[in-house]
Amino acid sequence: DSGVTQTPKHLITATGQRVTLRCSPRSGDLSVYWYQQSLDQGLQFLIQYYNGEERAKGNILERFSAQQFPDLHSELNLSSLELGDSALYFCASSFGQGTGELFFGEGSRLTVL
Amino acid sequence: AQTVTQSQPEMSVQEAETVTLSCTYDTSENNYYLFWYKQPPSRQMILVIRQEAYKQQNATENRFSVNFQKAAKSFSLKISDSQLGDTAMYFCAFMKGNTDKLIFGTGTRLQVFP
Repeated sequence: DSGVTQTPKHLITATGQRVTLRCSPRSGDLSVYWYQQSLDQGLQFLIQYYNGEERAKGNILERFSAQQFPDLHSELNLSSLELGDSALYFCASSFGQGTGELFFGEGSRLTVL
Repeated sequence: AQTVTQSQPEMSVQEAETVTLSCTYDTSENNYYLFWYKQPPSRQMILVIRQEAYKQQNATENRFSVNFQKAAKSFSLKISDSQLGDTAMYFCAFMKGNTDKLIFGTGTRLQVFP
């Protein structure tokens, strides 16, 4: 168990809808990362937060947004969902920056029908 | 831009044998780190091993070791005495400097047979 908790584990929704994925990092970790894993694109970095502030941005669509709250949990909001958004969304956490040692959650599998 | 290439989509090995997974990368950076992550059927990504580019010595973690060839931009993972629990997807990853932004390869699915 990595100590990173993601909810929900599975989610099925329709095109055009909006969903929120939640992540609780390991106790004491200040950084939260979001990754998208799809069959055709592999693991793609979406965004990183450090102690509540956005620190790095990757290939995150404008329809997607994220935030990290004062208690350090994070939410990833996906809106106007399309079929291609179906993927496994991982949250990871680390204490600081620069180690590359991320602790991953079990992921949230999103299916858009 | 950095890229990570894993040219072996699938590999198999018999229990107790040794297997090597390949990874090449492309970067113009001097300060970077390389990683192997494991994703078992439980889906959770787990760090296997980490290599700092400035270190010439190859990293080892118990049965896992790497062959880091900096000039060739190659970073292979050797698993010795393979165990059934090693069955998983293995991802090679690159990180520039102190960014914590990992760039992953497409993965190699390893099956360990009894």
